[in-house]
Amino acid sequence: NAGVTQTPKFQVLKTGQSMTLQCAQDMNHEYMSWYRQDPGMGLRLIHYSVGAGITDQGEVPNGYNVSRSTTEDFPLRLLSAAPSQTSVYFCASSVGTGNNQPQHFGDGTRLSIL
Amino acid sequence: AQTVTQSQPEMSVQEAETVTLSCTYDTSESDYYLFWYKQPPSRQMILVIRQEAYKQQNATENRFSVNFQKAAKSFSLKISDSQLGDAAMYFCAYINFGNEKLTFGTGTRLTIIP
Repeated sequence: NAGVTQTPKFQVLKTGQSMTLQCAQDMNHEYMSWYRQDPGMGLRLIHYSVGAGITDQGEVPNGYNVSRSTTEDFPLRLLSAAPSQTSVYFCASSVGTGNNQPQHFGDGTRLSIL
Repeated sequence: AQTVTQSQPEMSVQEAETVTLSCTYDTSESDYYLFWYKQPPSRQMILVIRQEAYKQQNATENRFSVNFQKAAKSFSLKISDSQLGDAAMYFCAYINFGNEKLTFGTGTRLTIIP
């Protein structure tokens, strides 16, 4: 059972480049989300999805796009990378929403924008 | 909006001793869930313990226990018999019942002194 798989683990981009961070889960979880982790700021929610075809914004959505065409996959797109988007990105999934079932996290992607 | 505050950026404890990490939160809701996550140097996010707000009994998981004070909006984590493998960042997190958004504190870095 792979859980939540994020690719790539590391990436360096130049300002203005675009890229997609991949996230896949094999637990048939309805809820998926993306966070960014910055020093001294904890994890902040970027976008989330409560099921295929449904996405919504979190706390820091600007500069990021998401889509959820299948239950398993929830890619995060940076259309035009900026140095402020240098961060560690985590994808997470859970069975449902607003309950005590924990979110399962991927191993993170360290992204550097030059 | 809910906020989670961890006022101790860093803590240290002697191996085999007990340490308590503090967390306070602000909410107007009565039904919610609280979590402690551990993030070792490997960057994984690992669930340590969870607490339902409607339960008066404090949650325990082996050497980990919480002191949940609902009226004071406090949720501290006690680690007994500290081990070298407990060294990590610890994040307190909050989620409303029926909501999708997990709110994290800024984290406490715990060092174990051999």
